[in-house]
Amino acid sequence: DAKTTQPNSMESNEEEPVHLPCNHSTISGTDYIHWYRQLPSQGPEYVIHGLTSNVNNRMASLAIAEDRKSSTLILHRATLRDAAVYYCILRPNNAGNMLTFGGGTRLMVKP
Amino acid sequence: DAGVTQSPTHLIKTRGQQVTLRCSPKSGHDTVSWYQQALGQGPQFIFQYYEEEERQRGNFPDRFSGHQFPNYSSELNVNALLLGDSALYLCASSFLGISRSDTQYFGPGTRLTVL
Repeated sequence: DAKTTQPNSMESNEEEPVHLPCNHSTISGTDYIHWYRQLPSQGPEYVIHGLTSNVNNRMASLAIAEDRKSSTLILHRATLRDAAVYYCILRPNNAGNMLTFGGGTRLMVKP
Repeated sequence: DAGVTQSPTHLIKTRGQQVTLRCSPKSGHDTVSWYQQALGQGPQFIFQYYEEEERQRGNFPDRFSGHQFPNYSSELNVNALLLGDSALYLCASSFLGISRSDTQYFGPGTRLTVL
C-alpha cells in the first residue's frame, strides 16, 4: 500500500490559517487522497478528499501538487475546536472503503 | 438522525475471556467496518461487513470475528483476550449501494481494557 508521511505535530494560533502537509511519493494513479481528523475522545471524522484537482468544502481546502506526490490540508481560520489529530490517507479506488491510517499530525491551537 | 452508535462505552475484561462489542450504523448505511486504535496510534482496520458477509480483512488473527445482522448492525467478537488487545475499538459505517459514498462515519468507540 502507498504510504503517507506527515509531521508528528504542528502548532497554530487561533484565527490564523493552518497548512498541514502530507507527502505521498509512491501514490498511484487511482489513489484518492483523504483527510480525516480525530478530536479528543472522539472517533475520526471525514474532512475532505480529492483525486487530482484542488477541493474546497465548508471545513477546509485540499491543495494537491501537480505531480500528486504531496498535498496540503488548509484550515482557513483555525479555532480551538480544530485541535485534533489530522490523518492523511491514500485510498485506492477499489479498496472497498477500507482506510489505512498512519500516525497523523497532532495540531495544537493556541488562543 | 442518529449517527453511528456503539456499546458499551467502556469495558474491563481479564486475559483469556471473550468480549462482544456492538455497533449500529448511521441511518441509510449498509456497510460496517471495525478498527482497533491502540493508545497514541492511528486506527488499524480489522474487517468490513457488507450484505452480512465479511468482505475485507486486515492483519488480525482469527480470534477476531464479527457478524452483521439483517438490519445492518454489527458485532465484533474477540476470543482469548490478550493484554495487547487493550485499545479503543471503532466502528465506521458507509453506503456501498448503487450510489457509493466515499465517506466513512465513525462512532465514538468502545474502550476495552484487558487486565
